[in-house]
Amino acid sequence: SYEVTQPLSVSVALGQTARITCGGNYIGSKNVHWYQQKPGQAPVLVIYRDINRPSGIPERFSGSNSGNTATLTISRAQAGDEADYYCQVWDSSTAVFGGGTKLTVL
Amino acid sequence: EVQLVQSGAEVKKPGESLKISCKGSGYSFTSYWIGWVRQMPGKGLEWMGIIYPGDSDTRYSPSFQGQVTISADKSISTAYLQWSSLKASDTAMYYCARRGFGESFDPWGQGTLVTVSS
Repeated sequence: SYEVTQPLSVSVALGQTARITCGGNYIGSKNVHWYQQKPGQAPVLVIYRDINRPSGIPERFSGSNSGNTATLTISRAQAGDEADYYCQVWDSSTAVFGGGTKLTVL
Repeated sequence: EVQLVQSGAEVKKPGESLKISCKGSGYSFTSYWIGWVRQMPGKGLEWMGIIYPGDSDTRYSPSFQGQVTISADKSISTAYLQWSSLKASDTAMYYCARRGFGESFDPWGQGTLVTVSS
């Protein structure tokens, strides 16, 4: 079965750029979606199909996907961006989530 | 506004049955797949399965096949997740979510907390 791998944690200084990776075999050939989950809340879609932002998501959130790595980039990180972030792909009609990355804003 | 509203928290004993619900509004319920996702305490997201309410076509994750049943009643725009015999290890938050843009999950329900304890 297909697996995607995320770092357990990423730290970023306030106002700097955070990058969260999602690794998988030839993941560049798949559509990658990213979700933000704050404590006690349901996940929220922040990037779909690699690079697209849903309505209401700040332009500070962007995505890329190539080769074996997809990346969620958060520019000018704010305290409110502290959350768990999950990548997700589809493989043979099965949804696969990464293990999640805890983003800490210092 | 597209919205999914889930049923309330449940406390059950091992061996009991349970059915939780997810009601969609603000869109054509029969035209979008609805998925179910488990989140055990302090853990990540696990995909359980998905249903197309238009014709009740259902797919399960191999990890959950035979452990749960996913169904839908399109007349009341509601999807369900049910267990016939709960175990303590079923204690978790369960989310429903619509499969939408580019096959991403959006929006999500608010979650239903299921606690199984003797």
